[in-house]
Amino acid sequence: AQTVTQSQPEMSVQEAETVTLSCTYDTSESDYYLFWYKQPPSRQMILVIRQEAYKQQNATENRFSVNFQKAAKSFSLKISDSQLGDAAMYFCAYKGGSEKLVFGKGTKLTVNP
Amino acid sequence: EAGVTQSPTHLIKTRGQQATLRCSPISGHTSVYWYQQALGLGLQFLLWYDEGEERNRGNFPPRFSGRQFPNYSSELNVNALELEDSALYLCASSDKRTSDPSGEQFFGPGTRLTVL
Repeated sequence: AQTVTQSQPEMSVQEAETVTLSCTYDTSESDYYLFWYKQPPSRQMILVIRQEAYKQQNATENRFSVNFQKAAKSFSLKISDSQLGDAAMYFCAYKGGSEKLVFGKGTKLTVNP
Repeated sequence: EAGVTQSPTHLIKTRGQQATLRCSPISGHTSVYWYQQALGLGLQFLLWYDEGEERNRGNFPPRFSGRQFPNYSSELNVNALELEDSALYLCASSDKRTSDPSGEQFFGPGTRLTVL
């Protein structure tokens, strides 16, 4: 069974600074997708960024980028120029052949003004 | 384009009762997923429906069941409620016919179920 681990229950960052959230996963599948979802206090989950396992190039979406290390099964999220609106729970998720998302337990990100 | 909607927003039940939660996917999406977000347990996959059929099921007892209607909306039923069923239940939808191979799931706002 696949597992996703987020080792940082909470993180904080100063506004305009950079923060990196960690995620590791375990799988025996070779073809899969990895996601970072954001859940603000209003609770609606939204997709931040995704990575296809077969792509070596790290995904980037504006201020958000990932460091995908397939051999190490690591998938960290970097948020640059942090903004107050980035404060939320961040979930790392894995999707393989079974279609279901397997989530980590989340990292609560606080952005300090 | 309207997003995934869920009703009710909050639901309060007592032990032993039944709860029914509803989800309307994004227009055109045929797949609906249900997840349970309980305190301390994170998000856990419950059920996946596509084209009216149950395609996959998470590690939950049979008293968690559901169905998908011809218009692709879905219902989650929880029978014989237990205190530990208290959680936020999230519904997500995806479009299996899209060219997006990752099958992005779009989430609704959730239903907060409280079992007293």
